Amino acid sequence: AQSVAQPEDQVNVAEGNPLTVKCTYSVSGNPYLFWYVQYPNRGLQFLLKYITGDNLVKGSYGFEAEFNKSQTSFHLKKPSALVSDSALYFCAVRVSRSSNTGKLIFGQGTTLQVKP
Amino acid sequence: GAVVSQHPSWVICKSGTSVKIECRSLDFQATTMFWYRQFPKQSLMLMATSNEGSKATYEQGVEKDKFLINHASLTLSTLTVTSAHPEDSSFYICSASSHYEQYFGPGTRLTVT
Repeated sequence: AQSVAQPEDQVNVAEGNPLTVKCTYSVSGNPYLFWYVQYPNRGLQFLLKYITGDNLVKGSYGFEAEFNKSQTSFHLKKPSALVSDSALYFCAVRVSRSSNTGKLIFGQGTTLQVKP
Repeated sequence: GAVVSQHPSWVICKSGTSVKIECRSLDFQATTMFWYRQFPKQSLMLMATSNEGSKATYEQGVEKDKFLINHASLTLSTLTVTSAHPEDSSFYICSASSHYEQYFGPGTRLTVT
């Protein structure tokens, strides 16, 4: 069965420090991987995706993620955290690569708290 | 581009009544839309896949007679919660699929009293 795991419920980091939000996946075949951010009482905002190519993917708001096939991981990173980055982050994997309409499987979510 | 709207953004209804939530893709056509449910501080749970012009595909454990989905056009899908009960109170989020990506609506907060 395909699954996504975010091992940390919460990540705390000081403003200006680098941050990492972890994600591991289990899929058959090569994955489509995504990161989304959710602010309170809002929908999900797309941050970045990995489809193929360069393992380091750059996304919105200075975020990036590194695809590691051997470790089946897709950790989200940012060199310097901002207080405004505090939110709920979701990693997701697309179930069907071949279909335009493949559904997403989400991780449990990780709350990022950036303190001034 | 790729904006998805939901209406209403929040709704309070009495137990036993029905509530309709609309999901619209504003600047693109979406043959497929998805409906999710989210409890506080939890992940999104896929309820159903809505396909334009055909019946929705429901995930296991989701009552199709309680959560009615209609995808009448390429830009509109609706979710109707029938005979709502307090346990149906939740945050409902839709997404629309385009070019291998999903674009999410802002969500609808449903409170059943």
